[in-house]
Amino acid sequence: DADVTQTPRNRITKTGKRIMLECSQTKGHDRMYWYRQDPGLGLRLIYYSFDVKDINKGEISDGYSVSRQAQAKFSLSLESAIPNQTALYFCATSHKRGTSYNEQFFGPGTRLTVL
Amino acid sequence: GENVEQHPSTLSVQEGDSAVIKCTYSDSASNYFPWYKQELGKGPQLIIDIRSNVGEKKDQRIAVTLNKTAKHFSLHITETQPEDSAVYFCAARATNAGKSTFGDGTTLTVKP
Repeated sequence: DADVTQTPRNRITKTGKRIMLECSQTKGHDRMYWYRQDPGLGLRLIYYSFDVKDINKGEISDGYSVSRQAQAKFSLSLESAIPNQTALYFCATSHKRGTSYNEQFFGPGTRLTVL
Repeated sequence: GENVEQHPSTLSVQEGDSAVIKCTYSDSASNYFPWYKQELGKGPQLIIDIRSNVGEKKDQRIAVTLNKTAKHFSLHITETQPEDSAVYFCAARATNAGKSTFGDGTTLTVKP
């Protein structure tokens, strides 16, 4: 979805380096998410945020940190990258419709390789 | 927490045949069940969803059924076409939960 953008789209880095993945959205949604996708393991939630300054851990948050300084931006950081963090990373957004949150809108993904 | 299991992991069908993907969930509080399609090189995109107050929902060639008692839901694609080839994910979420739990995905291949 062009309304959710991720940068960079591809990144190759070395073990021990600090990496930041950026996500921006023009949908005006309040909720944002970071997922990791590995072959055969589906989408696993790393962190999610309900609003600016609100941060919640997902199922695999170890080794990652996030920042939500503005409603439209949600950044994922790997403080010291390791090879098993090689994966496809997706950002997603959602918003409240009526009394509940519904579908998530995903960005195009960032392919990260840690050597 | 919620646990979602999805089967099969891979599915190959002939063009024109039907395809069925099944998911089970563990949390009886889950009440929203979306299905996402992920094409090669793209992010997942919602194709259909169902809420727990409905047993079946249909949109052209795709349909989803939900059995709350058995805690399982299924995606049905009829008259499959090569462009249906993709990875499909099911998910489950409770209204008061901030997040969805996804299945591991099914790679569907439709042979011409």
